[in-house]
Amino acid sequence: DQQVKQNSPSLSVQEGRISILNCDYTNSMFDYFLWYKKYPAEGPTFLISISSIKDKNEDGRFTVLNKSAKHLSLHIVPSQPGDSAVYFCAASAVNPGNNRKLIWGLGTSLAVNP
Amino acid sequence: NAGVTQTPKFQVLKTGQSMTLQCAQDMNHEYMSWYRQDPGMGLRLIHYSVGAGITDQGEVPNGYNVSRSTTEDFPLRLLSAAPSQTSVYFCASSRAPEYGYTFGSGTRLTVV
Repeated sequence: DQQVKQNSPSLSVQEGRISILNCDYTNSMFDYFLWYKKYPAEGPTFLISISSIKDKNEDGRFTVLNKSAKHLSLHIVPSQPGDSAVYFCAASAVNPGNNRKLIWGLGTSLAVNP
Repeated sequence: NAGVTQTPKFQVLKTGQSMTLQCAQDMNHEYMSWYRQDPGMGLRLIHYSVGAGITDQGEVPNGYNVSRSTTEDFPLRLLSAAPSQTSVYFCASSRAPEYGYTFGSGTRLTVV
């Protein structure tokens, strides 16, 4: 049962426009959410994170919004061809052993067309 | 600054063989994890560690062993390779998961 869901396997946008990638989750114990970007044949790269008590975090062209119940989104403005990659949403919660681990979505493949 | 180093980058094993995937980080991170990535399955956690001497199972631990004798190293052992273990394996480290993991470049393993 997917606790972190990225319901759009792929997304295509025009260069210069906004890309919006969505992430839904079911576990109300998640208290941090992270976005990663992955190019083929490379490991994922951390992009941006947000605490569950915040509703927005910005870093340059990347903004993560956490304004709806059990839903967050990553906005990329303006989108550039180099942003073409797979984007993973991940969520973190403290488990019964008082440790943390990440639960990952299946990813959304973003294509930014010149 | 090397970050997270995984070796080897590619490996072909025969069914039943054993091997160790190496992972080392030089950032003094306490948290380290091993993931496998399969088509359509996203990243699945195999084992993780919250510090030297402390390891725990993730979602798909069967067929794999880990140990964490030092902060820097977190090797993953395949005990008896099976074709179902054909995958891309990623090692990652973090000072704390909520601050993001740094990933290695991956090991592509094929079991024939």
